Amino acid sequence: EPEVTQTPSHQVTQMGQEVILRCVPISNHLYFYWYRQILGQKVEFLVSFYNNEISEKSEIFDDQFSVERPDGSNFTLKIRSTKLEDSAMYFCASSEARQPQHFGDGTRLSIL
Amino acid sequence: AQTVTQSQPEMSVQEAETVTLSCTYDTSENNYYLFWYKQPPSRQMILVIRQEAYKQQNATENRFSVNFQKAAKSFSLKISDSQLGDTAMYFCAFTATGANSKLTFGKGITLSVRP
Repeated sequence: EPEVTQTPSHQVTQMGQEVILRCVPISNHLYFYWYRQILGQKVEFLVSFYNNEISEKSEIFDDQFSVERPDGSNFTLKIRSTKLEDSAMYFCASSEARQPQHFGDGTRLSIL
Repeated sequence: AQTVTQSQPEMSVQEAETVTLSCTYDTSENNYYLFWYKQPPSRQMILVIRQEAYKQQNATENRFSVNFQKAAKSFSLKISDSQLGDTAMYFCAFTATGANSKLTFGKGITLSVRP
């Protein structure tokens, strides 16, 4: 069964550094999403992306965040200047129609 | 704005028994989807079951079934014949149909299946 794949599985970064989280959505999917889960808390929506543009973003998704689909397969989340509070599990999801969304295994981001 | 409430932080069930996980939600939308996702210790998010609000029939997926009460805005998950592999965090999630398809999640419930 096709899967959403995310790399790396764990990223450790110094505060203030830029980080790029990568996702390869399922190949025929058209809608892409990023969510995050701070340890012990619920999963929160960050951004949705369709037709090469952001369709919705949450208030968490401020100017330090950006998303890109640089080619036909990858979907990336960039955090420009990381803060301690950015430490979380970041999930990429994709869907063929708007639902259901299929999630990747996540990238654990640790900011030191 | 939509909200999803899972008021039970944790539950425990004996292997082979049945357990029901509760979820309520609040929305002014008439058309929407509801989901249960499972998150085992490995932290991946796995879709367990989904329900379209316009369908009166409760969704069933093998040992998993839901009790969808639209008027009460309640969406509980029943796991029959619980297995050790069902041990996980379970999240209830909501999305409205239409342009904005983001998922709104509840806080989750930790389910432990005892051998």
